[in-house]
Amino acid sequence: DTAVSQTPKYLVTQMGNDKSIKCEQNLGHDTMYWYKQDSKKFLKIMFSYNNKELIINETVPNRFSPKSPDKAHLNLHINSLELGDSAVYFCASSRGSGVYNEQFFGPGTRLTVL
Amino acid sequence: GENVEQHPSTLSVQEGDSAVIKCTYSDSASNYFPWYKQELGKRPQLIIDIRSNVGEKKDQRIAVTLNKTAKHFSLHITETQPEDSAVYFCAASKGNAGNMLTFGGGTRLMVKP
Repeated sequence: DTAVSQTPKYLVTQMGNDKSIKCEQNLGHDTMYWYKQDSKKFLKIMFSYNNKELIINETVPNRFSPKSPDKAHLNLHINSLELGDSAVYFCASSRGSGVYNEQFFGPGTRLTVL
Repeated sequence: GENVEQHPSTLSVQEGDSAVIKCTYSDSASNYFPWYKQELGKRPQLIIDIRSNVGEKKDQRIAVTLNKTAKHFSLHITETQPEDSAVYFCAASKGNAGNMLTFGGGTRLMVKP
């Protein structure tokens, strides 16, 4: 059973396009996250949602818009894609939003912008 | 905001040797320090964590130490095996809303058989 899943696994698109990445967790967790891992493997948090409510937005451009239709899903929509958006995007979830809660990562979505 | 630095960026050891990865953090309010292992093409997975009220924690071949005064923490892997080869990330978090993890830059560990 997959705990945190993402679709698609790979996404290749042209500059200027709009794309979405979907994330689902079946762990019953309340908190979900989006991370970006760049080509140098640096991992940086983008967003955090708790019970469908945004609680962290780490200076991410407005072109990125997360949407949480329910606690089990957190999707990431990206408008007007740029070359610099090429990265691996990881979704994660944790039981709560407090410290000490282990974050479980999804398999990642490799986005390539041409 | 929090800044986490990790060294070395690459580490090559012989099978059976020990490996040590070090991290420093800047925010004295940080109180949770997890370590994640990421194998090639896979997701990061938690391998061990330590809270600020503890100086050391051990789990089989893996141990983590924390020096709050100096604001640094380290990962120790003993008797390394080829399957330990991966990228290791340290991270820091404090008790603010959102459980925000700030990651170090990663260490690529290569264990040579």
